[in-house]
Amino acid sequence: GAGVSQSPSNKVTEKGKDVELRCDPISGHTALYWYRQSLGQGLEFLIYFQGNSAPDKSGLPSDRFSAERTGGSVSTLTIQRTQQEDSAVYLCASSLAGTGRINEQFFGPGTRLTVL
Amino acid sequence: AQSVTQPDIHITVSEGASLELRCNYSYGATPYLFWYVQSPGQGLQLLLKYFSGDTLVQGIKGFEAEFKRSQSSFNLRKPSVHWSDAAEYFCAVGAGSSASKIIFGSGTRLSIRP
Repeated sequence: GAGVSQSPSNKVTEKGKDVELRCDPISGHTALYWYRQSLGQGLEFLIYFQGNSAPDKSGLPSDRFSAERTGGSVSTLTIQRTQQEDSAVYLCASSLAGTGRINEQFFGPGTRLTVL
Repeated sequence: AQSVTQPDIHITVSEGASLELRCNYSYGATPYLFWYVQSPGQGLQLLLKYFSGDTLVQGIKGFEAEFKRSQSSFNLRKPSVHWSDAAEYFCAVGAGSSASKIIFGSGTRLSIRP
C-alpha cells in the first residue's frame, strides 16, 4: 500500500472489555512501532518490532497490553480489560531501518480508542 | 535518560510573520533529531531530520531547523507562516541504535491569526 494503515479508525468499548488494534505497515518495512497519544500528554512510545521480534517493549504501560507481529508485516496491539485511562489515539509507524541504518518512521492515521 | 522539552504549549502568530518553535533535548551521545507536524485529523508527517553534518537542515513546506550542540537545542523556524501551517508540532529525538526508539516532546500547538 501507499502508506501505513490502521484499523479501526475509531473504537468505542466498555470498561473491562478486550480490544484489538491493527496496523498494516508500508510494504517492505522491517521495523514497526506503536505509540500512544493521550490528550494533552504528547506521544508515548509503547513497543518496537524488528521483523517479528520485539527488542524493546519498555513502553508497554502494564501487562494488560501486548502486541504481536506475524510474517514480518501486520501487527496487532491488544489491550485486555480496558480501563478509562486507556482512552487515547494509538499510532503505528513503520520504517526500513535495520541494524546500522538510521530510522525514518512513517506514521499511520491512528486508532482513536474510547473506553466508557 | 533521553528527553525532549518543548517549552511552548501554544503559540499564535500572524499570517506572514516569522516563526520559531523551541526544542531542547537531553541525550548522552550525538542525537538523531526530528520535527513532525500533525494537522487536525491527519497523521504525523516528518518535516525534517538531523543525523549529522550541516547543522542547519532544510525541510518540507519551507521549514528549517538548526542543531546547536552547545545549547542542546533544535529549534524549528519558518520565515513567513501561512494559514495552512496551523497544526501541532512535535520535536523528537531518536534513541538507541539506528534511532529505533523515538522520544517525542509534548508538542506545540500553532495557531495562525488572519
